[in-house]
Amino acid sequence: GENVEQHPSTLSVQEGDSAVIKCTYSDSASNYFPWYKQELGKGPQLIIDIRSNVGEKKDQRIAVTLNKTAKHFSLHITETQPEDSAVYFCAFSSGGSNYKLTFGKGTLLTVNP
Amino acid sequence: ETGVTQTPRHLVMGMTNKKSLKCEQHLGHNAMYWYKQSAKKPLELMFVYNFKEQTENNSVPSRFSPECPNSSHLFLHLHTLQPEDSALYLCASSQETWQDSNQPQHFGDGTRLSIL
Repeated sequence: GENVEQHPSTLSVQEGDSAVIKCTYSDSASNYFPWYKQELGKGPQLIIDIRSNVGEKKDQRIAVTLNKTAKHFSLHITETQPEDSAVYFCAFSSGGSNYKLTFGKGTLLTVNP
Repeated sequence: ETGVTQTPRHLVMGMTNKKSLKCEQHLGHNAMYWYKQSAKKPLELMFVYNFKEQTENNSVPSRFSPECPNSSHLFLHLHTLQPEDSALYLCASSQETWQDSNQPQHFGDGTRLSIL
């Protein structure tokens, strides 16, 4: 089946630094790539998504880049704050479906004050 | 108020019990999903409903039985569960599954299920 490799599994940064999480996917037909943030005791929250017709998307301190040729996409968080601490999941649309998502295993981000 | 509400938040049950998980969405969406989230494993899609019709059953054991009476409500009926079924069960919704492009999925906070 489809799979996605997400790295790193844990990431610790100092407040104000940048954080980058990378995912590599397997389905060349994928055209939708969302990122979710999950805080302790909460469900995943969509923070940004990108479609295959663009290479980069930004929303304030968060950006996602997509390289369809290499089949990888990355989440970039700048000027990190302690409230950014959470588990981040990448996902991609799989199986030629427009609703089936394959998720990565997650990255635990810790922002130290 | 969150757009997707799940109850109960926590559930402990024995292997012979029967219980149900409930999900309600207030986003005007027409597609609803059940996912299973286990420790150190990716989210696993279980079921998908679009306009009350089941469109996906991801080889889920029959001890899990979904029900979607309308586009706003989704249930997961549980019976004769196994210890390995202990997990966080997440509900999500999206606009619908028929559109040409993926519609964002919005998740509830889940039900933490423990099987004794």
